[in-house]
Amino acid sequence: ERVLTQSPGTLSLSPGERATLSCRASQTIGNNYFAWFQQKPGQAPRLLIYDASSRATGIPDRFSGSGSGTDFTLTINRLEPEDSAVYYCQQYAHSPLTFGGGTKVEIK
Amino acid sequence: QVQLVESGGGVVQPGTSLRLSCAASGFTLSSYGMHWVRQAPGKGLEWVALLRYDGENKYYADSVRGRFTISRDNSKNTLYLQMNSLRVDDTAVYYCAGGSGWLSRYWGQGILVTVSS
Repeated sequence: ERVLTQSPGTLSLSPGERATLSCRASQTIGNNYFAWFQQKPGQAPRLLIYDASSRATGIPDRFSGSGSGTDFTLTINRLEPEDSAVYYCQQYAHSPLTFGGGTKVEIK
Repeated sequence: QVQLVESGGGVVQPGTSLRLSCAASGFTLSSYGMHWVRQAPGKGLEWVALLRYDGENKYYADSVRGRFTISRDNSKNTLYLQMNSLRVDDTAVYYCAGGSGWLSRYWGQGILVTVSS
């Protein structure tokens, strides 16, 4: 099983700042089948990034993904109050599919 | 517009069974890989099961293998999760999700399953 470790656990930033979220896999993720999701309280997760760096439909270009192999990053530029949420990484290359534990982004 | 709507949740006792449904509209389930993902109260996301687009290949998390079965009815465009021998730690919001390959592009709103005596 590929364990995904997200860091930091919580990120507290001001509007306009940049957030950098990391996710490290215990083994290489094949084909860069790696995704990032945003989840707000009481809502279902929303796909932000897939294939490590492709933005999903309707996602602002403030969100970008990068990385390969075992290290992946989600960057959120020019933070807005609506970006307050928990962000999860996921690998969908290997069964069992696995999620990271999540990073909570708080907007001051 | 793609829509996934889960139903069938509720409160059940340990050791009993429950079947969740996920009705799809705006896309054809048989063309996509479909998943069940769950989230225990206050916890993170846990992948539960995957049904490949071919309807033949099924994959399960170790925590549910042998107790849960994923399936679909193409005529009803509906995905199911048959959950047997339920345990207290199966308590969670269950989401159906799907997309091309193994990507969870589309998500339902979730349905709560509570296992309690």
